[in-house]
Amino acid sequence: KAGVTQTPRYLIKTRGQQVTLSCSPISGHRSVSWYQQTPGQGLQFLFEYFSETQRNKGNFPGRFSGRQFSNSRSEMNVSTLELGDSALYLCASSAGLAGGPGGDTQYFGPGTRLTVL
Amino acid sequence: AQSVTQLGSHVSVSEGALVLLRCNYSSSVPPYLFWYVQYPNQGLQLLLKYTSAATLVKGINGFEAEFKKSETSFHLTKPSAHMSDAAEYFCAVTVYNTDKLIFGTGTRLQVFP
Repeated sequence: KAGVTQTPRYLIKTRGQQVTLSCSPISGHRSVSWYQQTPGQGLQFLFEYFSETQRNKGNFPGRFSGRQFSNSRSEMNVSTLELGDSALYLCASSAGLAGGPGGDTQYFGPGTRLTVL
Repeated sequence: AQSVTQLGSHVSVSEGALVLLRCNYSSSVPPYLFWYVQYPNQGLQLLLKYTSAATLVKGINGFEAEFKKSETSFHLTKPSAHMSDAAEYFCAVTVYNTDKLIFGTGTRLQVFP
């Protein structure tokens, strides 16, 4: 089974621009989560989508948004980029046991390295 | 609220020595706990997961972790370190009733020949 794929792998943008990152989950997985990894803040949860609906959200400003398509693929968008948005953005997919107790195993993609100049 | 604390941001061992990476958790409900490994310029790879089925959890690459409720710990061990084990290791817990992961700050493992 193919793993989680993320495109692009590397991205360079300038302040004020916007960016869209893409994630394709493992086949059959219905939940996609996004995380930001920085040296200063570590790994932080952005949001989770299940069946095209945002199911959970982290503590990030509204400039960070996402969506999920009917094939479970997900995109994350960051508008009005700031220097502090430079990070590794990781996508993770899980089977997404709707109504379950949680703790479903998440499988991560290789990440998109975003650099904001 | 759930949280995890990893003691020691850097751990160095010799090849063939025991690896011990420490993780303590805080949770008012039975937790789901994970260890992930990250190699340079890569994403996170799942090493093992605790789901309350057994307190000793065996993972990939010879790693295992023991859940100790009395100590609120979930330390990761490997009897004999290999050069290829050099990486950053993250302990994580899921927020109750969700799949949202809360990560520790990570421990960078160095293995010397």
